[in-house]
Parts: sequence; C-alpha cells; structure tokens
Amino acid sequence: QSVLTQPPSASGTPGQRVTMSCSGSSSNIGTNTVDWYQQLPGTAPKLLIYIDNQRPSGVPDRFFGARSGTSASLAISGLQSEDEADYYCAAWDVSLNGWVFGGGTKLTVL
Amino acid sequence: EVQLVESGGGLVQPGGSLRLSCAASGFTLSTYSMNWVRQAPGKGLEWVSYIGSSSSPIYYADSVKGRFTISRDSAKNSLYLQMHSLRAEDTALYYCARGAELDCWGQGTLVTVSS
Repeated sequence: QSVLTQPPSASGTPGQRVTMSCSGSSSNIGTNTVDWYQQLPGTAPKLLIYIDNQRPSGVPDRFFGARSGTSASLAISGLQSEDEADYYCAAWDVSLNGWVFGGGTKLTVL
Repeated sequence: EVQLVESGGGLVQPGGSLRLSCAASGFTLSTYSMNWVRQAPGKGLEWVSYIGSSSSPIYYADSVKGRFTISRDSAKNSLYLQMHSLRAEDTALYYCARGAELDCWGQGTLVTVSS
C-alpha cells in the first residue's frame, strides 16, 4: 500500500494529451514539492519533473507538472510511442522523515 | 559524465547479511545527500534510506530500521548499505539515487533473499 495514490493505468493515442493524478496528505504533498519519475521498461527511473513543475535539461516541454493542496498531476501532451512507461510521483514526508512514492501509473500508447 | 554504479547484490539466505556499494563518478558524492531506493520484482518504488551530505541526518524506512545501515566514504566517493537479518521481503533491485530530487540513479543491484 503506497502512501501516495496513483491510478494504476492510463492510456492514449499518439498526439493526444493524457493526465495522471497523485494524491497524498498534509504531511507530504500538502507540505513539500512533488517530483515525477519515468521508468521505461527494463531501465532505472529517470527524473522527469522536480519541484512540482520544473523540467531537467533534456526533458521536452510536452511534460507538465502541477500541484494543488494535497494532490499533484502530470500531463503529457502530443503523446508519443516512446512515452510508454511507468510514471511515479514522490514527495518528502515530514511525519515519516522519508521519501514516499505513489504506486505508479502504467501509461500505454495505443 | 555523472554516473552511479551499484554492486554487491546477490543471493543470500534468510537471516543473512550483504553490503551494497554505490560508486559515483563525474561528481563529488560528498556534496550531495544520497538515498537508497528499492523495487521488488514487478512492483513499485520503495524508499529505503537517506543520508545527508555531511553524513547527517540519517533516516530509514520503518521496514528496514534496525537492520540496515547507510554510510558513505568521501575518499572512495562511494555510498554503502549494510544489510543484516535479511528477509524474503527484502528481495528487490536496489538503486542508489542522488540528492534532494533523486536526479541521478544507478542501474541497480539485485538482492535475492531465499533458502
């Protein structure tokens, strides 16, 4: 049971926009910023979005993060086949004194 | 090139011990906080432990507290995870990840706890 709640799956067709959610509580998302990680099949996770909506160098602006209250979201516009991956949200939890992750959303590009 | 390389995983019996290492290159590990994160087969990510840039503070997930110890060696530019009293549920791919944003991950080292 993950501390942050994500839908297990999402899907879209090439070119579409998809959004995935991440729900937490006052001790994590309600207090601290959210990061998003992309894990392509068989590879290590990669930082996709940090501090709610910042993109590391090399991440295209098709990826957009947002946070409000105790929830966050990741939107992907202009969906491409290479976006098919698992996406995890994460935040520091001040009660647990540690990182908490969502269970991950598996994105399928139809 | 910034890189993290984990090693030390393997097959161990329940109750056994292992020491994982994470070697950094392309940056000075001692200037960053560091984390261990694990992923059980077919499952999601689980944070294991955190160590500050000056080896303080140190935090552990409840699931490993009292059994695992995180440490770092500036001279070797390396991070470690000493694991004792291993259980079947510790079976996972263990990643080291850099900094407050987990902005760099290694490829992972597989720990299998089984008799």
